[in-house]
Amino acid sequence: QKEVEQDPGPLSVPEGAIVSLNCTYSNSAFQYFMWYRQYSRKGPELLMYTYSSGNKEDGRFTAQVDKSSKYISLFIRDSQPSDSATYLCAMENTGRRALTFGSGTRLQVQP
Amino acid sequence: DTGVSQDPRHKITKRGQNVTFRCDPISEHNRLYWYRQTLGQGPEFLTYFQNEAQLEKSRLLSDRFSAERPKGSFSTLEIQRTEQGDSAMYLCASNGRGSTDTQYFGPGTRLTVL
Repeated sequence: QKEVEQDPGPLSVPEGAIVSLNCTYSNSAFQYFMWYRQYSRKGPELLMYTYSSGNKEDGRFTAQVDKSSKYISLFIRDSQPSDSATYLCAMENTGRRALTFGSGTRLQVQP
Repeated sequence: DTGVSQDPRHKITKRGQNVTFRCDPISEHNRLYWYRQTLGQGPEFLTYFQNEAQLEKSRLLSDRFSAERPKGSFSTLEIQRTEQGDSAMYLCASNGRGSTDTQYFGPGTRLTVL
């Protein structure tokens, strides 16, 4: 079993929809949680970073962490065709610098 | 701040050849990371440097792989005797001196081994 599980999709939504992306994890040592966006054949780009349970909002993006359930989510409001990309969750535990990534969810926003 | 840069962006080689990739981190960052990403998967950690010291290596980093960061600035990743299974995107990331600094990624080097 992988330490981080993420539904690969693809997820197809119409423009303007609210998108919900999720990851579950099994390692209780994970304390820092990130969401990256990756366009085809490009490097991952950081979207959100959080380290506590609860919600963190940045523009159209909201990151949610529930450490008791080992579950994190990314919500995208008013989705745009330019949001079409692969979304990767990533986690880091204290004392270790390496990030552990989910496999990524491919999102397609239809105009 | 020009971000993390990687060179080359694409490399095609024949099985058995050696290849070397370069990463230039964000200038004020003292930590540098290498990851490998295959199609449909998330990046997998290979190794990490703090300044010039290589502090952690994944079991994915076989004896054919070697990474250096001689002066604590740019880094190189060399793969000897390449195999078809080495075909992947090789990503470099860097971050700063803070304990909670997140990692910023470069555009990657796409390796194809024929």
